[in-house]
Amino acid sequence: GQSLEQPSEVTAVEGAIVQINCTYQTSGFYGLSWYQQHDGGAPTFLSYNALDGLEETGRFSSFLSRSDSYGYLLLQELQMKDSASYFCAVREAGGFKTIFGAGTRLFVKA
Amino acid sequence: DAGVTQSPTHLIKTRGQQVTLRCSPKSGHDTVSWYQQALGQGPQFIFQYYEEEERQRGNFPDRFSGHQFPNYSSELNVNALLLGDSALYLCASSRSLTSGGYEQYFGPGTRLTVT
Repeated sequence: GQSLEQPSEVTAVEGAIVQINCTYQTSGFYGLSWYQQHDGGAPTFLSYNALDGLEETGRFSSFLSRSDSYGYLLLQELQMKDSASYFCAVREAGGFKTIFGAGTRLFVKA
Repeated sequence: DAGVTQSPTHLIKTRGQQVTLRCSPKSGHDTVSWYQQALGQGPQFIFQYYEEEERQRGNFPDRFSGHQFPNYSSELNVNALLLGDSALYLCASSRSLTSGGYEQYFGPGTRLTVT
C-alpha cells in the first residue's frame, strides 16, 4: 500500500532554517503536496511539486526527488507563528484519493 | 470570497445514533472530499464527490455515506456511530480542472464526539 513517513517532531529557534523530510512508498502518484495546520485549525495548502526539483514560495521551499522517493519542506527565517503541524500528501496515480503523512509537529523557540 | 464552510462546528452523539455533517465548497470549486482526522494524525480520505457522484472511496465502512448537491455542497452521513468515530471531520474542495485538483482548500472541520 501507499505510505508516507515524516518525523513526528522538530524543534528550531526563531530565525533559523528547518527542513522537514517526507519519504514515501507508493506505486505511483501525481505529485507531492505540503499542508500546514495550526492547533484547532484547518490544513492550509503550502506547496506542490509535480516534477523533481525545488519549488520556492516566499520563506517556504519544497523539493521532490522521485528517484529517491523523497521530498522535503524547507522553512527559512523561522517565526513563532510557524509553530504548527506540517503534512506531506500525495494523490494516487489513476485515482482521486489523497494520502497524508502523520504530520510533523514544528516547535519554534525564541 | 467565502472559503469552505462546514456545519456544525461541534457535535456530541451517542453510540448507535446517526449524524449528518454539511459542507459548502469554495466559490468556483466543483469537487468535494471528506476526511477523518484523529488527534495527532494526518487526515484520512473517506471519499470524494464530483458531479454529484462518489468517484472514489477510502477504506471506510458503508456506515459512511455522502451526497453532493447540484450547487456542489455536500453532506457526510455516518450511521450506527461507534466510539471510534470520534474525530475531526474535514471537508476539502478543489477545482477538478486545475492541475488535477491537487490544491485542496479545507474547511474548519466538525469535531464529532461519540459517547
